[in-house]
Amino acid sequence: QLQLQESGPGLVKPSETLSLTCIVSGGSVSSSNYYWGWIRQPPGKGLEWIGDSGSTYYNPSLKSRVTISVDTSKNQFSLKLSSVTAADTAMYYCARRPVGYGTDVWGQGTTVTVSS
Amino acid sequence: DIQMTQSPSTLSASVGDRVTITCRASQSVSRWLAWYQQKPGKAPKLLISKASSLESGVPSRFSGSGSGTEFTLTISSLEPDDFATYYCQQYNSYSEGFTFGPGTKVDIK
Repeated sequence: QLQLQESGPGLVKPSETLSLTCIVSGGSVSSSNYYWGWIRQPPGKGLEWIGDSGSTYYNPSLKSRVTISVDTSKNQFSLKLSSVTAADTAMYYCARRPVGYGTDVWGQGTTVTVSS
Repeated sequence: DIQMTQSPSTLSASVGDRVTITCRASQSVSRWLAWYQQKPGKAPKLLISKASSLESGVPSRFSGSGSGTEFTLTISSLEPDDFATYYCQQYNSYSEGFTFGPGTKVDIK
């Protein structure tokens, strides 16, 4: 059964780059049937799509700060979000989306706080 | 960007009630619409894709309908396990972003 596990620092300083990795087990990131992506949820708020590996179009509100990459040799994928501010404080989920479908497998999430 | 709205924002209901949640898009998303259920402290769970395609293992009391700009999620008979927050998400076009609705919280009446 496919499992996703986020890893990365829980605390990032303002203006720095947030870097998270999602380790995939029980499946392969090389499959062409799926996209691999990130979604976040600020404390007490709703869900916000960040992007996935199906396109270099990411959430327009995040503009050019986001990069999502897939490493097939390590069977993992990653998120980089540059120039972070307190507004980027959130639970970050890595996830899988089958082509043409909604996001069907989620990691447990990792909390990232932006603070000096 | 495509904006998504949901109504109501909160819904108080009893076990056995029929519940309907509406999701509207600011422009057509065809049938590229998904519904999720989220419980406190947990990751969301996919219920429905393509507006009406029930995810494997999801109880048949959940159903989805709609196309274009208006969609509904219906729970035919509310169970205790269904008290949660429900989100819609459009995934029509990468260039517009795959926007989530603001959520509808279903709580106990």
